[in-house]
Amino acid sequence: AAGVIQSPRHLIKEKRETATLKCYPIPRHDTVYWYQQGPGQDPQFLISFYEKMQSDKGSIPDRFSAQQFSDYHSELNMSSLELGDSALYFCASSPEIYRGLRTDTQYFGPGTRLTVL
Amino acid sequence: GQQLNQSPQSMFIQEGEDVSMNCTSSSIFNTWLWYKQDPGEGPVLLIALYKAGELTSNGRLTAQFGITRKDSFLNISASIPSDVGIYFCAGLPLTGTASKLTFGTGTRLQVTL
Repeated sequence: AAGVIQSPRHLIKEKRETATLKCYPIPRHDTVYWYQQGPGQDPQFLISFYEKMQSDKGSIPDRFSAQQFSDYHSELNMSSLELGDSALYFCASSPEIYRGLRTDTQYFGPGTRLTVL
Repeated sequence: GQQLNQSPQSMFIQEGEDVSMNCTSSSIFNTWLWYKQDPGEGPVLLIALYKAGELTSNGRLTAQFGITRKDSFLNISASIPSDVGIYFCAGLPLTGTASKLTFGTGTRLQVTL
């Protein structure tokens, strides 16, 4: 079965640089979520989009922005990177009501490991 | 942010043993999800629970949605080495779709031969 695709899988940046992470949800999933996971931590919610509109916002820094495009893929843009931004970034998607599946069950991608030097 | 209380924090067990872990919350959840995460990888959904009292199995895994809607447990029977990893519970609140998951603190499982 198709899964959530994230690119790149690994990214190394210098301080104050910018980064763009991409997420391609599972086909027929119209909601995407972004999470940040530090070492030894559970994933922390950043932001979510439903039908291309922002639906919820968590602890996302003002330096970060995200959007969902007409094909439902999403991009997380990160500017003025700081050392503390080094983490695993996960995208998750959830389906519309389809074959009885609830909208809120979230399926995670493999993540992007961002290292800021 | 808010976290669910998950226990145990870590456990060493021998291959073939059964494992139990649980999550409790002070808040009511509408959905409980259990994920397994390998190092450097994304959480993989194991079991989803949608109704209070629901008991669901997935192979050697069994999970239950507590009747108070404030807790859930996961059992793994006859553990094998590939069960090693971190198990997270996650809850979704009563209100709204496209809601953020609240994660448990994780249970690190290590299996010895």
